[in-house]
Amino acid sequence: AQKITQTQPGMFVQEKEAVTLDCTYDTSDPSYGLFWYKQPSSGEMIFLIYQGSYDQQNATEGRYSLNFQKARKSANLVISASQLGDSAMYFCAMRRRDTTSGTYKYIFGTGTRLKVLA
Amino acid sequence: DAGVIQSPRHEVTEMGQEVTLRCKPISGHDYLFWYRQTMMRGLELLIYFNNNVPIDDSGMPEDRFSAKMPNASFSTLKIQPSEPRDSAVYFCASSTQGNQETQYFGPGTRLLVL
Repeated sequence: AQKITQTQPGMFVQEKEAVTLDCTYDTSDPSYGLFWYKQPSSGEMIFLIYQGSYDQQNATEGRYSLNFQKARKSANLVISASQLGDSAMYFCAMRRRDTTSGTYKYIFGTGTRLKVLA
Repeated sequence: DAGVIQSPRHEVTEMGQEVTLRCKPISGHDYLFWYRQTMMRGLELLIYFNNNVPIDDSGMPEDRFSAKMPNASFSTLKIQPSEPRDSAVYFCASSTQGNQETQYFGPGTRLLVL
């Protein structure tokens, strides 16, 4: 079954410290993509980072990096030097191509709420 | 540049009424996505378009839901008739052919069906 699991409903981190948000996925497809999105309390969804299953290196975008461990089927988000503005809900998602229809399917995790403490 | 524009931002309606949500993607974007977010079901992709053509609508919950994209700058999501369980935040997002992974989301429409 295709699935995204985020086991941490909530996390706290001290300002300026690094934090890792966990994400594990389940798929039998050889080709897939993994995403992280941020949703602040204002409600909008913000794309953060993407990792393709064939990418050799872990994706990085500024203070965000994706710790991709293919054998473990994990795609953890690492936020370095946390800022107060990082307080938000974070969603992990997977995109896969359906072998029957050839179309993309997107699956989202339940999210992790991060609170950065001053 | 303007981001993805959605209207209305809030909608309150009564059960049985028709609801139309609107989206204007970022100019030049080839892909348009409609998502729904609820506490119970989380985020779900309802349908997506490429070059105005619906590609996958398997996420559309029922025949009461329909989506159209008559041109590259406009899409609608219609619910007829609406039911209380349709209450959710509906997001529209767009991306380009060359960078499909980076989806830009609109602010969402918060729908409440009484």
